[in-house]
Amino acid sequence: GDSVTQMEGPVTLSEEAFLTINCTYTATGYPSLFWYVQYPGEGLQLLLKATKADDKGSNKGFEATYRKETTSFHLEKGSVQVSDSAVYFCALSDRAGGSQGNLIFGKGTKLSVKP
Amino acid sequence: NAGVTQTPKFQVLKTGQSMTLQCAQDMNHNSMYWYRQDPGMGLRLIYYSASEGTTDKGEVPNGYNVSRLNKREFSLRLESAAPSQTSVYFCASMLWGDYGYTFGSGTRLTVV
Repeated sequence: GDSVTQMEGPVTLSEEAFLTINCTYTATGYPSLFWYVQYPGEGLQLLLKATKADDKGSNKGFEATYRKETTSFHLEKGSVQVSDSAVYFCALSDRAGGSQGNLIFGKGTKLSVKP
Repeated sequence: NAGVTQTPKFQVLKTGQSMTLQCAQDMNHNSMYWYRQDPGMGLRLIYYSASEGTTDKGEVPNGYNVSRLNKREFSLRLESAAPSQTSVYFCASMLWGDYGYTFGSGTRLTVV
Protein backbone atom coordinates (compact mmCIF):
# COMPACT_ATOMS: atom_id res chain seq x y z
CA GLY A 1 0.00 0.00 0.00
CA ASP A 2 0.86 3.65 -0.11
CA SER A 3 3.40 4.86 2.41
CA VAL A 4 5.52 7.83 3.44
CA THR A 5 9.05 7.71 4.83
CA GLN A 6 10.65 10.75 6.35
CA MET A 7 13.99 11.25 8.01
CA GLU A 8 14.14 10.44 11.66
CA GLY A 9 14.86 13.15 14.13
CA PRO A 10 15.41 14.92 16.22
CA VAL A 11 17.07 17.57 14.11
CA THR A 12 18.84 20.32 16.02
CA LEU A 13 19.95 23.47 14.22
CA SER A 14 21.22 26.89 15.13
CA GLU A 15 19.14 29.92 14.24
CA GLU A 16 19.60 31.03 10.60
CA ALA A 17 20.84 27.59 9.52
CA PHE A 18 19.53 25.88 6.38
CA LEU A 19 16.93 23.19 6.91
CA THR A 20 16.20 20.08 4.88
CA ILE A 21 13.84 17.35 6.01
CA ASN A 22 13.73 14.44 3.60
CA CYS A 23 10.49 12.76 2.60
CA THR A 24 9.96 9.97 0.09
CA TYR A 25 6.78 8.19 -0.79
CA THR A 26 5.41 5.03 -2.34
CA ALA A 27 2.11 5.28 -4.16
CA THR A 28 0.32 3.40 -6.92
CA GLY A 29 -1.39 6.46 -8.36
CA TYR A 30 -0.71 10.18 -8.48
CA PRO A 31 -1.11 11.44 -4.95
CA SER A 32 -1.14 14.97 -3.64
CA LEU A 33 1.65 15.66 -1.16
CA PHE A 34 1.60 17.71 2.02
CA TRP A 35 3.70 19.00 4.86
CA TYR A 36 2.04 19.57 8.21
CA VAL A 37 3.53 21.21 11.29
CA GLN A 38 2.66 20.51 14.91
CA TYR A 39 3.69 22.97 17.58
CA PRO A 40 3.91 21.73 21.17
CA GLY A 41 0.52 20.97 22.66
CA GLU A 42 -1.36 21.72 19.46
CA GLY A 43 -2.97 19.91 16.55
CA LEU A 44 -1.43 19.65 13.11
CA GLN A 45 -1.57 22.61 10.75
CA LEU A 46 -1.20 22.45 7.00
CA LEU A 47 2.11 24.06 6.05
CA LEU A 48 2.15 23.54 2.29
CA LYS A 49 0.95 21.19 -0.41
CA ALA A 50 1.56 20.17 -4.03
CA THR A 51 -0.99 18.38 -6.14
CA LYS A 52 0.99 17.31 -9.22
CA ALA A 53 4.50 16.56 -10.37
CA ASP A 54 6.94 19.49 -10.45
CA ASP A 55 4.61 21.67 -8.38
CA LYS A 56 6.32 23.66 -5.66
CA GLY A 57 4.45 24.33 -2.45
CA SER A 58 5.59 27.25 -0.31
CA ASN A 59 4.54 29.00 2.87
CA LYS A 60 6.25 31.00 5.65
CA GLY A 61 9.64 30.60 3.97
CA PHE A 62 9.30 26.81 3.66
CA GLU A 63 9.34 25.14 0.26
CA ALA A 64 8.94 21.63 -1.12
CA THR A 65 8.92 20.40 -4.73
CA TYR A 66 6.96 17.36 -5.89
CA ARG A 67 9.54 15.15 -7.65
CA LYS A 68 7.85 12.24 -9.34
CA GLU A 69 11.08 10.79 -10.75
CA THR A 70 12.60 10.43 -7.29
CA THR A 71 9.24 10.05 -5.45
CA SER A 72 10.31 12.77 -3.06
CA PHE A 73 8.91 15.90 -1.41
CA HIS A 74 11.73 17.30 0.70
CA LEU A 75 11.02 20.27 2.96
CA GLU A 76 13.51 23.16 2.91
CA LYS A 77 13.94 26.54 4.54
CA GLY A 78 16.84 28.86 3.97
CA SER A 79 17.10 30.36 7.45
CA VAL A 80 15.30 28.78 10.41
CA GLN A 81 14.13 30.65 13.48
CA VAL A 82 13.58 29.51 17.05
CA SER A 83 9.85 29.77 16.38
CA ASP A 84 10.15 27.01 13.74
CA SER A 85 10.79 24.45 16.48
CA ALA A 86 8.05 21.88 16.02
CA VAL A 87 7.32 18.42 14.64
CA TYR A 88 6.97 18.23 10.85
CA PHE A 89 4.91 15.55 9.12
CA CYS A 90 5.02 14.60 5.48
CA ALA A 91 1.80 13.12 4.09
CA LEU A 92 0.20 11.93 0.89
CA SER A 93 -3.40 11.68 -0.12
CA ASP A 94 -4.73 8.24 -0.79
CA ARG A 95 -7.14 8.59 -3.66
CA ALA A 96 -7.17 4.94 -4.65
CA GLY A 97 -10.31 2.85 -4.48
CA GLY A 98 -12.69 5.77 -4.71
CA SER A 99 -11.64 7.32 -1.42
CA GLN A 100 -12.03 11.03 -0.98
CA GLY A 101 -8.41 11.57 -0.13
CA ASN A 102 -7.48 9.98 3.18
CA LEU A 103 -4.07 11.18 4.26
CA ILE A 104 -1.22 8.80 5.04
CA PHE A 105 1.38 10.35 7.34
CA GLY A 106 5.04 9.82 7.95
CA LYS A 107 6.19 9.37 11.52
CA GLY A 108 7.22 12.99 11.96
CA THR A 109 10.53 14.77 12.38
CA LYS A 110 11.14 16.89 15.45
CA LEU A 111 13.05 20.10 14.78
CA SER A 112 14.71 22.10 17.55
CA VAL A 113 16.23 25.46 16.70
CA LYS A 114 18.69 26.95 19.19
CA PRO A 115 19.30 30.70 19.49
CA ASN B 1 -14.97 30.56 12.95
CA ALA B 2 -13.97 27.83 15.41
CA GLY B 3 -12.79 25.21 12.87
CA VAL B 4 -12.64 21.76 14.46
CA THR B 5 -13.56 21.54 18.14
CA GLN B 6 -12.72 18.50 20.25
CA THR B 7 -13.94 17.76 23.75
CA PRO B 8 -12.67 16.98 26.28
CA LYS B 9 -9.06 18.13 26.07
CA PHE B 10 -7.87 15.78 28.80
CA GLN B 11 -9.34 12.60 30.27
CA VAL B 12 -8.22 9.89 32.65
CA LEU B 13 -10.11 6.60 32.57
CA LYS B 14 -9.86 3.40 34.52
CA THR B 15 -9.47 0.16 32.59
CA GLY B 16 -12.88 -1.06 31.48
CA GLN B 17 -14.62 2.32 31.61
CA SER B 18 -16.29 3.75 28.54
CA MET B 19 -16.30 7.23 27.12
CA THR B 20 -17.09 9.21 24.00
CA LEU B 21 -14.81 11.76 22.42
CA GLN B 22 -16.70 14.53 20.69
CA CYS B 23 -15.73 16.35 17.52
CA ALA B 24 -17.55 19.11 15.66
CA GLN B 25 -16.62 21.24 12.67
CA ASP B 26 -18.29 24.40 11.43
CA MET B 27 -16.70 24.65 7.98
CA ASN B 28 -19.29 22.58 6.09
CA HIS B 29 -16.63 19.96 5.37
CA ASN B 30 -17.68 16.63 3.90
CA SER B 31 -15.22 14.15 5.38
CA MET B 32 -14.20 13.65 8.99
CA TYR B 33 -11.48 11.53 10.57
CA TRP B 34 -10.21 10.19 13.87
CA TYR B 35 -6.48 9.62 14.36
CA ARG B 36 -4.39 8.57 17.29
CA GLN B 37 -0.86 9.81 17.84
CA ASP B 38 1.67 7.77 19.75
CA PRO B 39 5.40 8.45 20.24
CA GLY B 40 7.42 7.09 17.34
CA MET B 41 4.30 5.94 15.47
CA GLY B 42 3.15 9.11 13.78
CA LEU B 43 -0.58 9.41 13.20
CA ARG B 44 -2.66 6.32 12.62
CA LEU B 45 -6.17 6.44 11.21
CA ILE B 46 -8.82 4.85 13.44
CA TYR B 47 -12.04 5.54 11.53
CA TYR B 48 -13.23 7.97 8.95
CA SER B 49 -16.47 9.23 7.47
CA ALA B 50 -16.25 10.22 3.83
CA SER B 51 -19.68 11.81 3.97
CA GLU B 52 -22.66 12.15 6.25
CA GLY B 53 -24.19 8.73 6.81
CA THR B 54 -21.08 6.69 6.05
CA THR B 55 -18.24 5.42 8.22
CA ASP B 56 -15.27 3.17 7.45
CA LYS B 57 -12.47 1.52 9.34
CA GLY B 58 -8.96 2.85 9.16
CA GLU B 59 -5.69 1.26 10.12
CA VAL B 60 -6.37 0.66 13.84
CA PRO B 61 -10.15 0.36 14.46
CA ASN B 62 -10.18 -2.37 17.11
CA GLY B 63 -11.63 -1.23 20.42
CA TYR B 64 -13.35 1.82 18.93
CA ASN B 65 -16.70 2.75 17.43
CA VAL B 66 -17.79 5.91 15.69
CA SER B 67 -20.95 7.80 14.88
CA ARG B 68 -21.39 10.46 12.23
CA LEU B 69 -24.28 12.18 13.92
CA ASN B 70 -24.77 14.78 11.18
CA LYS B 71 -22.55 16.68 8.80
CA ARG B 72 -20.95 18.63 11.65
CA GLU B 73 -20.34 15.99 14.29
CA PHE B 74 -18.28 12.81 14.41
CA SER B 75 -17.84 11.03 17.73
CA LEU B 76 -15.42 8.30 18.79
CA ARG B 77 -16.44 5.82 21.48
CA LEU B 78 -14.30 3.55 23.60
CA GLU B 79 -16.59 0.85 24.97
CA SER B 80 -14.11 -0.74 27.39
CA ALA B 81 -10.94 1.28 27.72
CA ALA B 82 -7.56 -0.47 27.86
CA PRO B 83 -4.13 0.93 28.77
CA SER B 84 -3.07 0.40 25.13
CA GLN B 85 -5.57 3.13 24.22
CA THR B 86 -3.59 5.73 26.12
CA SER B 87 -2.82 8.23 23.39
CA VAL B 88 -3.52 11.64 21.97
CA TYR B 89 -6.59 11.59 19.73
CA PHE B 90 -7.08 14.02 16.88
CA CYS B 91 -10.17 14.72 14.88
CA ALA B 92 -9.85 16.24 11.41
CA SER B 93 -12.13 17.31 8.62
CA MET B 94 -11.73 17.93 4.90
CA LEU B 95 -13.62 19.64 2.12
CA TRP B 96 -13.79 17.43 -0.97
CA GLY B 97 -11.46 18.51 -3.70
CA ASP B 98 -9.19 20.42 -1.36
CA TYR B 99 -7.27 17.43 -0.01
CA GLY B 100 -6.11 19.36 3.01
CA TYR B 101 -7.21 18.47 6.52
CA THR B 102 -8.12 20.82 9.32
CA PHE B 103 -7.25 19.32 12.69
CA GLY B 104 -8.66 19.84 16.14
CA SER B 105 -6.35 20.51 19.06
CA GLY B 106 -6.54 16.97 20.38
CA THR B 107 -7.72 14.95 23.37
CA ARG B 108 -5.06 13.53 25.65
CA LEU B 109 -6.43 10.26 27.05
CA THR B 110 -4.79 8.22 29.79
CA VAL B 111 -6.12 4.79 30.72
CA VAL B 112 -4.90 3.48 34.06
